[in-house]
Formats: sequence, structure tokens, C-alpha cells
Amino acid sequence: KQEVTQIPAALSVPEGENLVLNCSFTDSAIYNLQWFRQDPGKGLTSLLLIQSSQREQTSGRLNASLDKSSGRSTLYIAASQPGDSATYLCAVDTGNQFYFGTGTSLTVIP
Amino acid sequence: NAGVTQTPKFQVLKTGQSMTLQCAQDMNHNSMYWYRQDPGMGLRLIYYSASEGTTDKGEVPNGYNVSRLNKREFSLRLESAAPSQTSVYFCASKGFSGNTIYFGEGSWLTVV
Repeated sequence: KQEVTQIPAALSVPEGENLVLNCSFTDSAIYNLQWFRQDPGKGLTSLLLIQSSQREQTSGRLNASLDKSSGRSTLYIAASQPGDSATYLCAVDTGNQFYFGTGTSLTVIP
Repeated sequence: NAGVTQTPKFQVLKTGQSMTLQCAQDMNHNSMYWYRQDPGMGLRLIYYSASEGTTDKGEVPNGYNVSRLNKREFSLRLESAAPSQTSVYFCASKGFSGNTIYFGEGSWLTVV
């Protein structure tokens, strides 16, 4: 069974700092990996999707990388802002199912 | 675009009562999913439907039933609610393999 792990579980940084969130998965047989943002009391919003054949994707201040062979992905957030405070989840798509990590709760301090 | 719409948003049930969570998507997606989210456990798949007319069990199907009414709608039924089913439930949908999955806003269910 695919297992997805996110470290750290919580992170607090001052505004303006660059930061990296980590995601690891146990089975490299994936279609893609997605990073999501979840605000309190809300659903999940997709941030970036990386296909299994890709190495990275960028959207604004966000950059996600994928190393399928080692079962790792990182989400890099540049110049963090208080509005970035949320829980960030990664998920791997195995075709029929998505497997989610438990998330990293990010707090950006003004 | 409405995307994925879930109803109701909040519900309190007594143990043993039944209820149905409704989900509809307007993106013409083939696959639909029901997840539950509990503190410290992440999102766990209850049931999914890869296409209209098919449903399959996920990781935690016990105590639930589903119905893929048509391509747009995928409902989740609790036949006899238990306190262990207190959770936040999310419906999601996806087009073809490799595509983005879209989530509804969630349904907060409390069983007392």
C-alpha cells in the first residue's frame, strides 16, 4: 500500500523567509503528484500538479519538484507572506486512487 | 463554474439515524470520490467511482454505501450512524488519469 509522509507536521517562519515543505512516498508507480492548500474550515485547493515524467512545476512564488525514483517531492515557497498561512498537503495519484499525506501546518508571522 | 458542490455543509445526527450526503460536479468528470478527514489521520478514501455505473471500496468503506446516480452525482449514505463517523467528509472529482482532482467545500458531520 502506498504511504505518504509529510515533514515537518508544523512550521512557523517570519514573513519574507523562503521555505521548503517535504513529501515522501513509498511506491514510485504514480501518475502524478499534487500539492494542495487547505484553509481552516475549507476544502482543498490544488496548487501544483507534477506529472510522473516531469521534474518540477512552477506557479508564481511556488515551485514543486519531483524525484520519482527516490519517492520525494518538495514544495518551495519564496518570500513567504502571512496569507500563505494554511495547511499544505501532498497527494500521489496511482490511477484509481489518491493517497494523501497528513499535511504541514504553516504559519507565517508578520 | 460551481465545480464540486456538497450538501449539507453541517449536520448533527443521533446514533442509529441515517442520512445521505449529496455531491454533484459540473465539469463532466468521469471519476468521483468520497473522503473523510480526521485530525492526525489525513484524508482517507471511503468509496470511489471510476465511471458512471461503477463504484469501488476505498480504505474505510465499513458503515457507508454509495450511489453513482449519473455522471454528475455521487451520494454517500450512512445507514446507521455511529459516533466513530463524526468527521469532515469531502467529495472530489477528476477527469482523466493524470488530471487535477477538485474538491468540494466539505460536510461537517457530528454523531451524538
